[in-house]
Amino acid sequence: AQSVSQHNHHVILSEAASLELGCNYSYGGTVNLFWYVQYPGQHLQLLLKYFSGDPLVKGIKGFEAEFIKSKFSFNLRKPSVQWSDTAEYFCAVNLGTGGFKTIFGAGTRLFVKA
Amino acid sequence: AAGVIQSPRHLIKEKRETATLKCYPIPRHDTVYWYQQGPGQDPQFLISFYEKMQSDKGSIPDRFSAQQFSDYHSELNMSSLELGDSALYFCASSLGTGPHEQYFGPGTRLTVT
Repeated sequence: AQSVSQHNHHVILSEAASLELGCNYSYGGTVNLFWYVQYPGQHLQLLLKYFSGDPLVKGIKGFEAEFIKSKFSFNLRKPSVQWSDTAEYFCAVNLGTGGFKTIFGAGTRLFVKA
Repeated sequence: AAGVIQSPRHLIKEKRETATLKCYPIPRHDTVYWYQQGPGQDPQFLISFYEKMQSDKGSIPDRFSAQQFSDYHSELNMSSLELGDSALYFCASSLGTGPHEQYFGPGTRLTVT
């Protein structure tokens, strides 16, 4: 069965530290990849997405992610986190061209200390 | 810009009761998705509709049903509610003709007592 794995469930960083959140998926076909963020008490918001083309994608708020097809990975990075980045981050995979089903990872809860 | 609207935002029901959740997609979006997010869990895909037809099905219990109407809004009907149905129910919408970037609504928090 298809699945999405996020390696870190809880991450605690100090402001200005660098962030990398891992995401791996298990599906051999075409995928569309997303990172969503959920701030405390709010709904899911799209951070960035990868459909095709340049595997290094840039999103909002200084986030970027790199798609490495050979590793089935789509890791999220930010060079310098801020206190306002405290949130839960979900990696999501949409299966195949024209597929509707989207599978979410378990989420990584990031806490940034001021 | 208009966003996905869900109503009600909060709902409290007793066991064995029924509940109806509504979702109004972003204008011109023709695809609606429903997700269930339990406390501390990731969103679980329940069901999706494209152009008023069911397009995909996930882990939706048989006690639940959903449909998409001619104006593209969708309703999730939940019967014989159980305590374990307490969760945040998200609706998302997208344009169904390409890669599916989903825009999420604020969710309906259902509490079953």
